[in-house]
Amino acid sequence: NAGVTQTPKFQVLKTGQSMTLQCAQDMNHEYMSWYRQDPGMGLRLIHYSVGAGITDQGEVPNGYNVSRSTTEDFPLRLLSAAPSQTSVYFCASSYSFGQGKTEAFFGQGTRLTVV
Amino acid sequence: GNSVTQMEGPVTLSEEAFLTINCTYTATGYPSLFWYVQYPGEGLQLLLKATKADDKGSNKGFEATYRKETTSFHLEKGSVQVSDSAVYFCALSDDTPLVFGKGTRLSVIA
Repeated sequence: NAGVTQTPKFQVLKTGQSMTLQCAQDMNHEYMSWYRQDPGMGLRLIHYSVGAGITDQGEVPNGYNVSRSTTEDFPLRLLSAAPSQTSVYFCASSYSFGQGKTEAFFGQGTRLTVV
Repeated sequence: GNSVTQMEGPVTLSEEAFLTINCTYTATGYPSLFWYVQYPGEGLQLLLKATKADDKGSNKGFEATYRKETTSFHLEKGSVQVSDSAVYFCALSDDTPLVFGKGTRLSVIA
């Protein structure tokens, strides 16, 4: 039982390049989310999904795309990388324990640098 | 909308000192409340949670009580250790997904 697995752990991109951050969970959770963590800003929600085929935007969605074709996988795509997207990215997998309340499990993070 | 405000850091304490990290929240509904901890170079781990008013969550010597009347969920530990050095995040869940505070960095020195 690996939990939430993110790849890669580190990545350097040039401005304008595209890439996909991978996230997989083996806990059969319905909900998955992507956050970015920046100094002094805490965790900000990029996109989330409440089930296969369903995604929605979070607080900072611009420049990112997601899809959820299976319960297990929730990749995050950077369409055209910009220096402002330099950050640490965390994927989370969540289950509901009733009335819309969820508990999240996090991956180890991807540290992305855009030069 | 929902939001979480926690005290600014960094917080520096000597080993065996008492710790309090303040957290208050704003929510439209009746949220569940969490504290997550992030050790250096790692992802976030759940430290404790509380799902209704007056519930006390506890783990590893840390405690927090859900106070609906003051909309607070302050984290406390009676005697911190060097190994408690980390970033602590308060969070709420009223509807998916979680909303986080900005985090408080704790450094404990021997």
